[in-house]
Amino acid sequence: RKEVEQDPGPFNVPEGATVAFNCTYSNSASQSFFWYRQDCRKEPKLLMSVYSSGNEDGRFTAQLNRASQYISLLIRDSKLSDSATYLCAVNTNAGKSTFGDGTTLTVKP
Amino acid sequence: GAVVSQHPSWVICKSGTSVKIECRSLDFQATTMFWYRQFPKQSLMLMATSNEGSKATYEQGVEKDKFLINHASLTLSTLTVTSAHPEDSSFYICSARAGDRVFSFFGQGTRLTVV
Repeated sequence: RKEVEQDPGPFNVPEGATVAFNCTYSNSASQSFFWYRQDCRKEPKLLMSVYSSGNEDGRFTAQLNRASQYISLLIRDSKLSDSATYLCAVNTNAGKSTFGDGTTLTVKP
Repeated sequence: GAVVSQHPSWVICKSGTSVKIECRSLDFQATTMFWYRQFPKQSLMLMATSNEGSKATYEQGVEKDKFLINHASLTLSTLTVTSAHPEDSSFYICSARAGDRVFSFFGQGTRLTVV
């Protein structure tokens, strides 16, 4: 079993749609959690950190459920520019990141 | 935000040659640097963790004699792919962490093609 499992996707949605990505992790000692966005042939860029209390940044909402070892990312009012691969990452306290395989989102006009 | 610079951004080399990739933290001291590899349509896989002034810790299945990592200063780590083969063609990305921060900053990545 992989340490971090993500929805396989791909997700193809129309502009304006709401889309949710899920990710589960197996290491209960994981310390911190992140969502990254990766555009084709580029490095991952941090989208947002994920907290148990939930956090929101504009159209993006991230949530962590430690009991279920589950993190989520919700994108509201999808834009064409949101098309990318979204990676969840789980960090140990040593800062080592384990990534999910990524979920590809395509937003269509 | 913090900047991590990786060089070169792409390289094509002949089979059997060695390639060196540099990762620099430009505005902070990186006590730890991580090297990842990403094959097409796959996620980033950690290759090794490098702490300044000490030997790198390699993940299972990564050959330390093939992927030489040097972290001689707090702002520079290098990855040398020795005797590269076509199957080493991949996207190599470093990330750098300052002190005990939980978050690391990524370099731009290096696309290596071995022909």
